[in-house]
Amino acid sequence: GIQVEQSPPDLILQEGANSTLRCNFSDSVNNLQWFHQNPWGQLINLFYIPSGTKQNGRLSATTVATERYSLLYISSSQTTDSGVYFCAVQGGGADGLTFGKGTHLIIQP
Amino acid sequence: DTGVSQNPRHKITKRGQNVTFRCDPISEHNRLYWYRQTLGQGPEFLTYFQNEAQLEKSRLLSDRFSAERPKGSFSTLEIQRTEQGDSAMYLCASSSSTPTDTQYFGPGTRLTVL
Repeated sequence: GIQVEQSPPDLILQEGANSTLRCNFSDSVNNLQWFHQNPWGQLINLFYIPSGTKQNGRLSATTVATERYSLLYISSSQTTDSGVYFCAVQGGGADGLTFGKGTHLIIQP
Repeated sequence: DTGVSQNPRHKITKRGQNVTFRCDPISEHNRLYWYRQTLGQGPEFLTYFQNEAQLEKSRLLSDRFSAERPKGSFSTLEIQRTEQGDSAMYLCASSSSTPTDTQYFGPGTRLTVL
């Protein structure tokens, strides 16, 4: 099946800093989503982005489908941005999402 | 749009008991998914319904697991003869095939098997 690798696994930043999270995938995809999992376990949709670039406030994402990677940018980080960020893809005939192991982001005040 | 809901939110059971979880998807969504997440890992796909038809099952879904979506609305996931290794967060998601297949997740049911 399709493989998803996220980097870095852990990231500690000061409030106000910018960050870039990367997601590499091993095959062509027809669905790619970025999620933020809060401390209570809820997965919050950030972007549906199988290709192209999108922006939503301080967050933006870019997927280069031909090179099989996606990037999530967080600008002017706030402590509430802390949590685990997951990239998940769907492709190769599968119906379910395949998740990466996530990036654990800690924003310190 | 009230979002995806799951019940119960927490379940503690003894090894060998049967448990059942319920998922209510977003009302207009025809697709429903079950995932399992263990500590420190990303969610893993278990099974998928389009309307009432179960179209895909992961090899993770052993014979002790069964899922139904009888009228194409809510779904149940039953685990028979629970084992300690079944302890995990069970997540449900739903989507509509149009305009995009964006999956929206519920809050999950955390299962602890003693």
